Amino acid sequence: KNQVEQSPQSLIILEGKNCTLQCNYTVSPFSNLRWYKQDTGRGPVSLTIMTFSENTKSNGRYTATLDADTKQSSLHITASQLSDSASYICVVSPTSGGSYIPTFGRGTSLIVHP
Amino acid sequence: KAGVTQTPRYLIKTRGQQVTLSCSPISGHRSVSWYQQTPGQGLQFLFEYFSETQRNKGNFPGRFSGRQFSNSRSEMNVSTLELGDSALYLCASSWDGDNEQFFGPGTRLTVL
Repeated sequence: KNQVEQSPQSLIILEGKNCTLQCNYTVSPFSNLRWYKQDTGRGPVSLTIMTFSENTKSNGRYTATLDADTKQSSLHITASQLSDSASYICVVSPTSGGSYIPTFGRGTSLIVHP
Repeated sequence: KAGVTQTPRYLIKTRGQQVTLSCSPISGHRSVSWYQQTPGQGLQFLFEYFSETQRNKGNFPGRFSGRQFSNSRSEMNVSTLELGDSALYLCASSWDGDNEQFFGPGTRLTVL
């Protein structure tokens, strides 16, 4: 069964600090892995998309890494801001080319305190 | 460029009723996917439509159905509503499903 596990479930950090969120998956064969940010009451917003051949992808202060051998990904947030408070969701797609059935992680809830 | 829109934003129904939700994708996007989000299960894939055809389907009962029109707008229908159907229903559009998806704000459905 395809699974995506995220850790930690929740995280509280101070503004300006860095943090790293983890995503482990069992989805195979693997097409791409995405990280989304979801603010409360809103739809998710795409942060990064990585194929199995990519090791890292950045989007401003967000940097995602991928180790396809160990089936692990991480999302690193640099110099956190209050607006980073949100849920971060890891999504893995098993195939490409028209067959797209994603498996979602349960998300990491991040709270950034001033 | 207008984003993905969903209507209505909030809906209250009673058990046994049926409901239809609407999603208008970003102009030019041909793929529309629907998701259910609940506190207990997180985000779960319902189905994806591409060029008016259901291309992928998640593991949901037949009470959940959808369709896509020639202008790529999509509707999702849930019949014989159950309390457990209370959730945030999100749709997302993309050029071709596996590309970057853009989510709408969601429809909050409450079943009483």
